[in-house]
Amino acid sequence: KNEVEQSPQNLTAQEGEFITINCSYSVGISALHWLQQHPGGGIVSLFMLSSGKKKHGRLIATINIQEKHSSLHITASHPRDSAVYICAVKGVPGAGSYQLTFGKGTKLSVIP
Amino acid sequence: NAGVMQNPRHLVRRRGQEARLRCSPMKGHSHVYWYRQLPEEGLKFMVYLQKENIIDESGMPKERFSAEFPKEGPSILRIQQVVRGDSAAYFCASSPRVFGTESSGANVLTFGAGSRLTVL
Repeated sequence: KNEVEQSPQNLTAQEGEFITINCSYSVGISALHWLQQHPGGGIVSLFMLSSGKKKHGRLIATINIQEKHSSLHITASHPRDSAVYICAVKGVPGAGSYQLTFGKGTKLSVIP
Repeated sequence: NAGVMQNPRHLVRRRGQEARLRCSPMKGHSHVYWYRQLPEEGLKFMVYLQKENIIDESGMPKERFSAEFPKEGPSILRIQQVVRGDSAAYFCASSPRVFGTESSGANVLTFGAGSRLTVL
């Protein structure tokens, strides 16, 4: 069973700051997902990646398969980025591969 | 395209009653996943269904919980004889094909807004 750990649990930043959220997992995976959960509860899929780096607007996600680690970066943070960011991993096909295993999330608050 | 529709958004039940949560997947999506988020906990997989079939229910409690995805109509998560510990947010997600790795091309997973169950 994969254990997914996120850090920090809570993060407060000033508007404009560069933010990094980390995710580590214990067992090899086929893909890693970053999700955003808004204060109202809705969940949006931000990235899915299995290697390297992806960028979308001010968001950048990286993954290091050898180190079993991923980071989500937010450049020029804005109060509207305030949300819970969730890391989820998908196992190797054929071994519970339908299931996502989720981290507990990182609660980000960006102060104007 | 209305996205993944869940209802009710909020449901209050007394202990022992039944709760039925509905999920209509996105148009063109035939794969549905249910997840549960307990207070102060991360999301946990419950069940994966395709039309008329349960593919993986390994995350579902063995008793009182059941799920279906009929040929016509929404997917339903049913909780019988609810207890206080069932209070949680239940999220549904859908995908057009088996949700897999990037190489499978099925990297789309769309979540609903969730149904919040409170058991008094």
